[in-house]
Amino acid sequence: SQTIHQWPATLVQPVGSPLSLECTVEGTSNPNLYWYRQAAGRGLQLLFYSVGIGQISSEVPQNLSASRPQDRQFILSSKKLLLSDSGFYLCAWRGRGSGEKLFFGSGTQLSVL
Amino acid sequence: GENVEQHPSTLSVQEGDSAVIKCTYSDSASNYFPWYKQELGKGPQLIIDIRSNVGEKKDQRIAVTLNKTAKHFSLHITETQPEDSAVYFCAAYLNDYKLSFGAGTTVTVRA
Repeated sequence: SQTIHQWPATLVQPVGSPLSLECTVEGTSNPNLYWYRQAAGRGLQLLFYSVGIGQISSEVPQNLSASRPQDRQFILSSKKLLLSDSGFYLCAWRGRGSGEKLFFGSGTQLSVL
Repeated sequence: GENVEQHPSTLSVQEGDSAVIKCTYSDSASNYFPWYKQELGKGPQLIIDIRSNVGEKKDQRIAVTLNKTAKHFSLHITETQPEDSAVYFCAAYLNDYKLSFGAGTTVTVRA
């Protein structure tokens, strides 16, 4: 069966520090991968998606970047965090064989202080 | 692009009663409509979905209805229980890669 791993679960970072969040998917190959952000009490904002290794599409201009160095690995990064980067970050995947179904990871709660 | 509106934003129901959440979408080409349940501090979980060639789908106490002509779809939870308390999101497929989500409904089931 397919599983998605996202870490860390919580993170507290000072303003101006770098960020690296990692997500990996198991049990499937060539998935579509996504990064979403959720502000407190708000909806889901799509940040990036990737349809293959090295292929990244950005949905909103921001202080963040994404990379996909391997087929089942998706990384969200920042060189210098801003206060406004605080939020709940969710990785998600959609497999080729699962049709349209989108599955989320457990999320990372990021607090920038 | 696709725009999904979800109502109400909050819903409080007595245990045992039914809960209904409604969503509308703008792109008539959308053909897949999932619903997610998110508990506090966790990622959203897919609970039910429906495709555009089906008008209704049911899974135990949960059902979803779709009206393509009116471009709206609804989630129905019957015989609500305390564990149904969560935030629920509807979504519509914008294209092959992206879902467009509603703003969410916070459901509280009162014991």
